[in-house]
Amino acid sequence: KAGVTQTPRYLIKTRGQQVTLSCSPISGHRSVSWYQQTPGQGLQFLFEYFSETQRNKGNFPGRFSGRQFSNSRSEMNVSTLELGDSALYLCASSPGLAGAFYNEQFFGPGTRLTVL
Amino acid sequence: ILNVEQSPQSLHVQEGDSTNFTCSFPSSNFYALHWYRWETAKSPEALFVMTLNGDEKKKGRISATLNTKEGYSYLYIKGSQPEDSATYLCAFSRTGNQFYFGTGTSLTVIP
Repeated sequence: KAGVTQTPRYLIKTRGQQVTLSCSPISGHRSVSWYQQTPGQGLQFLFEYFSETQRNKGNFPGRFSGRQFSNSRSEMNVSTLELGDSALYLCASSPGLAGAFYNEQFFGPGTRLTVL
Repeated sequence: ILNVEQSPQSLHVQEGDSTNFTCSFPSSNFYALHWYRWETAKSPEALFVMTLNGDEKKKGRISATLNTKEGYSYLYIKGSQPEDSATYLCAFSRTGNQFYFGTGTSLTVIP
């Protein structure tokens, strides 16, 4: 079974630009969650999508948005980039269904975003 | 804001030593507690899902216990090996759909 894939793996942008990151979940998984990791911080939850709908949202500004397609692939968009957005962005997929092995999350390799 | 705390933040041990870390989480509305191992340049890898008070899980030299009433979980590594060097993360869940991660314990095993 193929794992979670994320593209691109590395990205360099400048302040004010926008960026789109992509995540393809494990086949059959309907939930995709996005996390941000910055130095010294744990994984900060951004949002979770299930069946093309945002089901949960973390405490991030509106510049961070996402969407999910009918094939469960998800994209995350950050507009008007700031220096503080430099981070590792991880996505995780899970079945998303109640009782489905407690929705264990499987992580992708991450996208390293650098904002100059 | 829901706090999940892990201690210690980092740990250096000699090969062969046994070690343990702590994850503290809110004791109310508990659904599941997950442990992950995150090696440098790799994806976090699931170790255990723990759901019942008193749960004990074991995988090789690594084991974990869970106390939902007081809100903590311990991860133990027996006879640490250099390949155990990684960051160990715990994640608390109330609904099964949103995970709250701790900042992790970074373990370095010195040969």
